[in-house]
Amino acid sequence: ETGVTQSPTHLIKTRGQQVTLRCSSQSGHNTVSWYQQALGQGPQFIFQYYREEENGRGNFPPRFSGLQFPNYSSELNVNALELDDSALYLCASSLVLGDYEQYFGPGTRLTVT
Amino acid sequence: AQSVAQPEDQVNVAEGNPLTVKCTYSVSGNPYLFWYVQYPNRGLQFLLKYITGDNLVKGSYGFEAEFNKSQTSFHLKKPSALVSDSALYFCAVRDMGKYGGATNKLIFGTGTLLAVQP
Repeated sequence: ETGVTQSPTHLIKTRGQQVTLRCSSQSGHNTVSWYQQALGQGPQFIFQYYREEENGRGNFPPRFSGLQFPNYSSELNVNALELDDSALYLCASSLVLGDYEQYFGPGTRLTVT
Repeated sequence: AQSVAQPEDQVNVAEGNPLTVKCTYSVSGNPYLFWYVQYPNRGLQFLLKYITGDNLVKGSYGFEAEFNKSQTSFHLKKPSALVSDSALYFCAVRDMGKYGGATNKLIFGTGTLLAVQP
């Protein structure tokens, strides 16, 4: 059973640019959630996808968007990057919606300059 | 709104001694509580969860947590700390959906850095 993987590991972008982060869920998992973890903070929920549909969103602006594909892999897109978007972005998958155990990937460290 | 609080930024303990990392919660309804651990430059690893049942929950790597409804606490414990336990620990509660439905959204505390000295 493979774990959750994320790419890239690190990324440096300039303010105003756009970025796409990728996540491959654990095998058989149909639910994926994205979190933003700023330095020294706990992870903050961005949104969740279940069977390719967004199913819950945190307090993030619309420039944060996502996709889930038929193979349950997922993307997080951020437009018009701001300095405060610098953070570790974590993807978590679970077997089913409402499953209590989520499996986290190693994260993508995004730096916006 | 659901929330958790971790009152200690850092906990220091000597190897071999028992450790406790504190967490209190505020929820409407029955709480679904979790502990995760994060090692440097790594994602979060699941340690244990409380959904219902026994107040003492056993998890991975010898950790356990005690659910206390009257004190609204869910403290993480280990009888004998190891240097390799040094990491950042997060308590989390599952949020309820807009209409009380299923959701995988977790609300995390700010984290407690555990430092185990040899």
